[in-house]
This record gives sequence, C-alpha cells and structure tokens, in this order.
Amino acid sequence: GAVVSQHPSWVICKSGTSVKIECRSLDFQATTMFWYRQFPKQSLMLMATSNEGSKATYEQGVEKDKFLINHASLTLSTLTVTSAHPEDSSFYICSARDSSTMGEQFFGPGTRLTVL
Amino acid sequence: QKEVEQNSGPLSVPEGAIASLNCTYSDRGSQSFFWYRQYSGKSPELIMFIYSNGDKEDGRFTAQLNKASQYVSLLIRDSQPSDSATYLCAVRTPGNQFYFGTGTSLTVIP
Repeated sequence: GAVVSQHPSWVICKSGTSVKIECRSLDFQATTMFWYRQFPKQSLMLMATSNEGSKATYEQGVEKDKFLINHASLTLSTLTVTSAHPEDSSFYICSARDSSTMGEQFFGPGTRLTVL
Repeated sequence: QKEVEQNSGPLSVPEGAIASLNCTYSDRGSQSFFWYRQYSGKSPELIMFIYSNGDKEDGRFTAQLNKASQYVSLLIRDSQPSDSATYLCAVRTPGNQFYFGTGTSLTVIP
C-alpha cells in the first residue's frame, strides 16, 4: 500500500507556542490530504480537507486561524497549531488520498501533541 | 442521521471464531466502501475496499456489500487475538466526500 509519513511523531511544547506537523505522501501524488484529531478512546474527528494549491476546507467548529494548513505540493501538507494550549493536546493524524486508484485514504502514523 | 453508522461494541469473539462487523450508510449513491483497522494508540490502516455488490475476499477477511440495503460488512475468519482492534467503516459518496463511522471495538479472547 501507499506510504504516508508524519513528522514529528510526538512533541511536547509549552502553552502559547506554535507547533508544525508535516504530512508527506512518499510514493504517490496526493491532490487531497486530510487532517484528523483523535482524543483518547474517541473516534476520528475530521478537522479539515487540504487541496493542493488552494485553501483548506475546515469542518464546523474548527478554527482556521488556530489550525493553519498549507498544502504547497502534491506530496506535502502541513498543519500548524498556533498558540497551543493544553486542551489542544491530542493525537493528530493526516491522511492522503491516492487520486489514481479508488480514492482510498492512507493514513500517516500520527503525531501525539502534549501541551504543558 | 449520520452518514455512516456502526455499532460501537465492544464485540467479543473467541479465538478461531468468525467476527462479523457491520456498517450502514445513508447516501444511496455511494460508490466505494472501505474497512480500516486501528490499534490503540496507532493510526488507522486500510484492510480492504469494495465497490461492487457481493463478496470480496482477501485472506481471512471478507467484505460484503449490499447496495440495495445500504449495508457493508466485514467478516474475519479464524479470529486471532492480534485482530483485537477498532474497525472503522468508511464510505466515499458521489460528491467525493469521505465519511468514517465511529468504529466497532473487537476483542478476540484467547
């Protein structure tokens, strides 16, 4: 299957700082990438859909000024959590859609963010 | 009504038994259906997809699709303790939207 990487895999930061998470599709081109957040023992929550070369589409209730998404190329999307607070601590997972196949999503390994 | 619905479980089966996971969807025009497995603390991984009515088999896994009933299921034969995970159903609609169910937690008891 297709490979999606995320970096970093875990990060601890102080409240008020910004954290950037990278998502890369390693062996396919992804015109669309997705960012999810998952709290412990809860289901995936879609935050935003990122299309290469255009602005991301955010789900209701997700602040676009707090969660900045950039999809500058067909293999890279970034999520920046600005002015992070402890309630932003979560498991952030990206996925990339392989546009050449059935459109299935392949997930990155996730980034565990802890804000102190 | 949610786009994709799954029984959250937990579902427990003894080792060696068949585990049956079910999913219903609301958009009748949906075209592609996916099953993902997610281990605790890990991200989801794709198990298989199906887009035609009927059964699709891959090893111990069989996906079944019934578009008339808007129902898709996943059967796991000869269940192993390592199959214990949360199984997510996902549907791609004609509008190219992708919806996930909330997942069914499966425990295989040795």
